[in-house]
Amino acid sequence: GQSLEQPSEVTAVEGAIVQINCTYQTSGFYGLSWYQQHDGGAPTFLSYNALDGLEETGRFSSFLSRSDSYGYLLLQELQMKDSASYFCAVRSSGGSYIPTFGRGTSLIVHP
Amino acid sequence: IAGITQAPTSQILAAGRRMTLRCTQDMRHNAMYWYRQDLGLGLRLIHYSNTAGTTGKGEVPDGYSVSRANTDDFPLTLASAVPSQTSVYFCASSKVAGEPNEQFFGPGTRLTVL
Repeated sequence: GQSLEQPSEVTAVEGAIVQINCTYQTSGFYGLSWYQQHDGGAPTFLSYNALDGLEETGRFSSFLSRSDSYGYLLLQELQMKDSASYFCAVRSSGGSYIPTFGRGTSLIVHP
Repeated sequence: IAGITQAPTSQILAAGRRMTLRCTQDMRHNAMYWYRQDLGLGLRLIHYSNTAGTTGKGEVPDGYSVSRANTDDFPLTLASAVPSQTSVYFCASSKVAGEPNEQFFGPGTRLTVL
């Protein structure tokens, strides 16, 4: 089986930097993905880490430490529109390719 | 069509009725997925299909069935709906079943079972 843990809610002010953590337990690890979902909307893919280190895409960065079974999503220069839920996801081992999502972190950005 | 579509957008259904949620993608993606999303529980995988003609069970498959007759369509059927199946249902697709497994999600179907 596999499980992911992430905080249920994070708050921050506009312009700040926020980090959303994700720890995982999985038998056979391939990579960690992050998705963003605005209220009532479809989740959208943000990033993917297969190797240790930091991946940067504009204001968003994602980090992975395979030895610690840990990753995080870093959002810089926060904007009000970044208020959303953020999900980390991993895929199970073997040939079934079943993805598992964390329960999501609700990010609230205050002015 | 551009991307992935779902129908209906929302539905209120009497318990015991049969219901099929439709999902169509025009990206020629091999893999498709059905999730349900309930408050506080995130996205839970119901069924998936790695390629046309094959399907598999996810985390919460009971009470649901799927078929994948072709690449584009992946309908989800509730044979006899129960109130616990009230949820928002998302269909998703990915180019390949393997990594990085970037998934594209449809707009969702909000289902209420009374």
